[in-house]
Amino acid sequence: QKEVEQNSGPLSVPEGAIASLNCTYSDRVSQSFFWYRQYSGKSPELIMSIYSNGDKEDGRFTAQLNKASQYVSLLIRDSQPSDSATYLCAVQTNMDTGRRALTFGSGTRLQVQP
Amino acid sequence: NAGVTQTPKFQVLKTGQSMTLQCAQDMNHNSMYWYRQDPGMGLRLIYYSASEGTTDKGEVPNGYNVSRLNKREFSLRLESAAPSQTSVYFCASSVELGHRTTYEQYFGPGTRLTVT
Repeated sequence: QKEVEQNSGPLSVPEGAIASLNCTYSDRVSQSFFWYRQYSGKSPELIMSIYSNGDKEDGRFTAQLNKASQYVSLLIRDSQPSDSATYLCAVQTNMDTGRRALTFGSGTRLQVQP
Repeated sequence: NAGVTQTPKFQVLKTGQSMTLQCAQDMNHNSMYWYRQDPGMGLRLIYYSASEGTTDKGEVPNGYNVSRLNKREFSLRLESAAPSQTSVYFCASSVELGHRTTYEQYFGPGTRLTVT
């Protein structure tokens, strides 16, 4: 069973701080990694994708990937109350059929305190 | 573009009843997926379809069937609903990103199903 692990939280940070969300995965051959944001009662929304080791920045979001350590993280700078949501880490894995699919972690709930 | 649409938004079934969840996408994506999401369990893949005419089982296929009607539509059927199938069901579609053969998935709004 290919696994994606996240701390369920809640992770509580004050407004304006940096929120750091972490994810580990078990499948060494995974090549593509994604972060989704899910507000309560809503569907997951893709916010970041990363494919190479290192950092990828998009606005206030930075995704970090370390394939040797099988570790992906998401940093949110200048956190806002509107960032309060559950963040899902997803890893592209190879199914038994040879096709690719995403395996999701159970998510980390982020609370940004005004 | 409506993106990925799902019907119905809410449904209550009695044990043993059947129903079909409908999903459609207007993004010309080849691949489509059905997930269920339960508290503390994350998203679990039920079935997926890499292209029109093909379907494959995911992590939790028991009790479900699917039909890829055409490129746009992918339906999920519960033949005899059970309380364990109470969940939120999401449909997604994805585009293959060139040489990476990687798939960014986009989700529909979900169907909240309760089986009593």
